[in-house]
Amino acid sequence: QLQLQESGPGLVRPSETLSLTCTVSGGSISSSNYYWGWIRQPPGKGLEWIGNIYYSGNTYYTPSLESRVTISMDTSKSQFSLNITSVTAADTAVYYCARGGTYEIDIWGQGTMVTVSS
Amino acid sequence: DIQLTQSPSFLSASVGDRVTITCRASQGISSYLAWYQQEPGKAPKLLIYAASTLQSGVPSRFSGSGSGTDFTLTISGLQPEDSATYYCQQLNSYPLTFGGGTKVEIK
Repeated sequence: QLQLQESGPGLVRPSETLSLTCTVSGGSISSSNYYWGWIRQPPGKGLEWIGNIYYSGNTYYTPSLESRVTISMDTSKSQFSLNITSVTAADTAVYYCARGGTYEIDIWGQGTMVTVSS
Repeated sequence: DIQLTQSPSFLSASVGDRVTITCRASQGISSYLAWYQQEPGKAPKLLIYAASTLQSGVPSRFSGSGSGTDFTLTISGLQPEDSATYYCQQLNSYPLTFGGGTKVEIK
């Protein structure tokens, strides 16, 4: 069945760029029926939706991060990526990649912890 | 943005109890609501989508109801493995948003 796996640095310096990749296996990333997204969870806190990308290339971001976030897709590698620029300690969180549909997010990656610290 | 308010934020109940969690949206979202269960250290797991449709493989003791602005997640016959935090999410419009979560403890 379809699986998602996040990868990237676990430690990022303040003011630098956080970059994560999600690799999709066991299924196609090139489907118009789904979107691919990122959600994060600061330690001890709730879930925060970051943004989505569709196969068409359309993207949607949460307003609080929109000026710093980019989500992109590489269908040839079955991957999609997250970039957050100018990070601060407030960006420390577990980052999840996920697949979503009209009514739900049905498949989640296991999550990767990213710490922003000097 | 659509705000989702979950209540209670914490509840403690005994095995076998019927438990209800409420999610209220700041504006109407039709049936574009999902419920997730998150165990400590794990990714969220989809329980209910379209407000009341049970995800495949999820035990039938979980049920969802509601439409518009008021939604409920019910666990009928609480089990020890149901100890977790539960989140609602609206998918009616961007930006997508989550409720603050309800932590369920087994007495």
